Amino acid sequence: DAGVIQSPRHEVTEMGQEVTLRCKPISGHDYLFWYRQTMMRGLELLIYFNNNVPIDDSGMPEDRFSAKMPNASFSTLKIQPSEPRDSAVYFCASCRAPSSGNTIYFGEGSWLTVV
Amino acid sequence: QQQVKQSPQSLIVQKGGISIINCAYENTAFDYFPWYQQFPGKGPALLIAIRPDVSEKKEGRFTISFNKSAKQFSLHIMDSQPGDSATYFCAASKGFKTIFGAGTRLFVKA
Repeated sequence: DAGVIQSPRHEVTEMGQEVTLRCKPISGHDYLFWYRQTMMRGLELLIYFNNNVPIDDSGMPEDRFSAKMPNASFSTLKIQPSEPRDSAVYFCASCRAPSSGNTIYFGEGSWLTVV
Repeated sequence: QQQVKQSPQSLIVQKGGISIINCAYENTAFDYFPWYQQFPGKGPALLIAIRPDVSEKKEGRFTISFNKSAKQFSLHIMDSQPGDSATYFCAASKGFKTIFGAGTRLFVKA
């Protein structure tokens, strides 16, 4: 299995621009998560989906952030307009089932720098 | 109630020594406690995990000790090696929701 695939791996953009991060979860996984990692705040859960439906977006910092999952094999996280404080590593992750004990598989992350 | 507190923030250990990372949680509803290992430029990956009905779990050089009454758990890395240098995250989960600690950056000196 190829694992969780994220793109782009690195993105440098100017403040005010739209940023779209993409994710392909592991085939057969029912849950998809978007996390943000910063030195100050560690790993934060932004939003998660179950069977393509957003379940909890309480971690999404502002209305500038939006996420979609149009099908079981693709999800996007969009920031519009981007700001320098959005600079972070954004991880997509997936897991097989909702019960405790299922391993969360992370992608390698999208490193975003907003200048 | 959702927090997982992790310490220390960073740790330097000599090769062959024991690395110890501690975590504490508040919500007694958590029923699964994984540890993730993250190398630079990579995503976190599951290292070892424990359920609260067990006080200790060992996998190779890695051991989790769990104290349910104190709501604390720790990771012990025996015979630490330079290849263990990474960031370690403890976590607590219930169902679909996993809360991560802030992470510990471990450096093992050769």
